[in-house]
Amino acid sequence: GAGVSQSPRYKVTKRGQDVALRCDPISGHVSLYWYRQALGQGPEFLTYFSYEAQQDKSGLPNDRFSAERPEGSISTLTIQRTEQRDSAMYRCASSLGSGGWDTQYFGPGTRLTVL
Amino acid sequence: SQKIEQNSEALNIQEGKTATLTCNYTNYSPAYLQWYRQDPGRGPVFLLLIRENEKEKRKERLKVTFDTTLKQSLFHITASQPADSATYLCALDALGNEKLTFGTGTRLTIIP
Repeated sequence: GAGVSQSPRYKVTKRGQDVALRCDPISGHVSLYWYRQALGQGPEFLTYFSYEAQQDKSGLPNDRFSAERPEGSISTLTIQRTEQRDSAMYRCASSLGSGGWDTQYFGPGTRLTVL
Repeated sequence: SQKIEQNSEALNIQEGKTATLTCNYTNYSPAYLQWYRQDPGRGPVFLLLIRENEKEKRKERLKVTFDTTLKQSLFHITASQPADSATYLCALDALGNEKLTFGTGTRLTIIP
């Protein structure tokens, strides 16, 4: 079956614009995670959903970042009034269950560049 | 503060030898520790999970150990091959917390 997909794969935007990044998890997966990954670093946790409920948003850097998963499937990460420091690879992952023992399946990521 | 450290940014190993990667953590009490492989331009791919009450786990040429006293996990690849070249990430969580925290990764190169 299909894996986790993300769109767009690349996004270039100007400082001050809003962007929306989409994640389509593996069908039937309960949990969905958003990460940000800088070059040469491991993924950094942003937020996590179990079904449609946002369980943990402690990793969101500030209130310009928000995420939703209204029907418990597709999720959108929105960054308002983008700044150059927001430039990074944004990765989405999903897992079948919601425990720390669950394998996370990662998508290909969205490379965001803010000019 | 909580910290996860993986040994050396880069590790070069001769083909056929055993590659050993280290993951050390401080101020965590993980219930699980996971290892992922990441190839350039791609997302991490799950390899192995080890629980806090397990000392060792194996999968084909891979072996993971977990020492909660030393707060360390070792990841071994035996009979290494050039195709094993990648960045390897350790990740851990704490009991009851679904959030995974990743290390910075070790870039492994297997030299033919």
